[in-house]
Amino acid sequence: GAVVSQHPSRVICKSGTSVKIECRSLDFQATTMFWYRQFPKKSLMLMATSNEGSKATYEQGVEKDKFLINHASLTLSTLTVTSAHPEDSSFYICSARDAPRTRKWSGYTFGSGTRLTVV
Amino acid sequence: GIQVEQSPPDLILQEGANSTLRCNFSDSVNNLQWFHQNPWGQLINLFYIPSGTKQNGRLSATTVATERYSLLYISSSQTTDSGVYFCAVELSGGSYIPTFGRGTSLIVHP
Repeated sequence: GAVVSQHPSRVICKSGTSVKIECRSLDFQATTMFWYRQFPKKSLMLMATSNEGSKATYEQGVEKDKFLINHASLTLSTLTVTSAHPEDSSFYICSARDAPRTRKWSGYTFGSGTRLTVV
Repeated sequence: GIQVEQSPPDLILQEGANSTLRCNFSDSVNNLQWFHQNPWGQLINLFYIPSGTKQNGRLSATTVATERYSLLYISSSQTTDSGVYFCAVELSGGSYIPTFGRGTSLIVHP
């Protein structure tokens, strides 16, 4: 089945530094990838939708200058948390959908998530 | 936007018990998925089920699209079933962006 690889799984960084999270589709081409943020005991909050070769579409309230998303190829999307602060500490998850929709499409596939701690 | 409500929010079971989780949605949907998030945060796709019934081992799911709900059945629960169960839907005629419910947190005691 479809596999999405997300790295790193955990990262601790100092306040003010930037952190890059990678999301790769290993066995399919992902024209659309989604980035989510999840707070403890909460549901997934969509941050942005990224389409290969174009600018990401950010959800209301998400700072695009702080959360830089790049989807340069059909298999890689990156999320960079710039000038991270303790309030950015969270669990970040990516997901991908292949295209075009085929009869074999079985839904969204998620990465394993990245737990970011900013100290 | 579309509303997705899951119930119950929390569930505690003894190993071996059966349970039913529910997902109600407020509008017509193209797609619906059930996920299990394990204690390490990984989201596992359980079912892609926009309509009808599917079964996979001890789990089964039924979606009645015309009545805007889906049910996830867990039979003979095991401690490894613990975690959070989410349903996610895509609005019909929408932008193919999944909307998640708040989840059902399940704890299965040995």
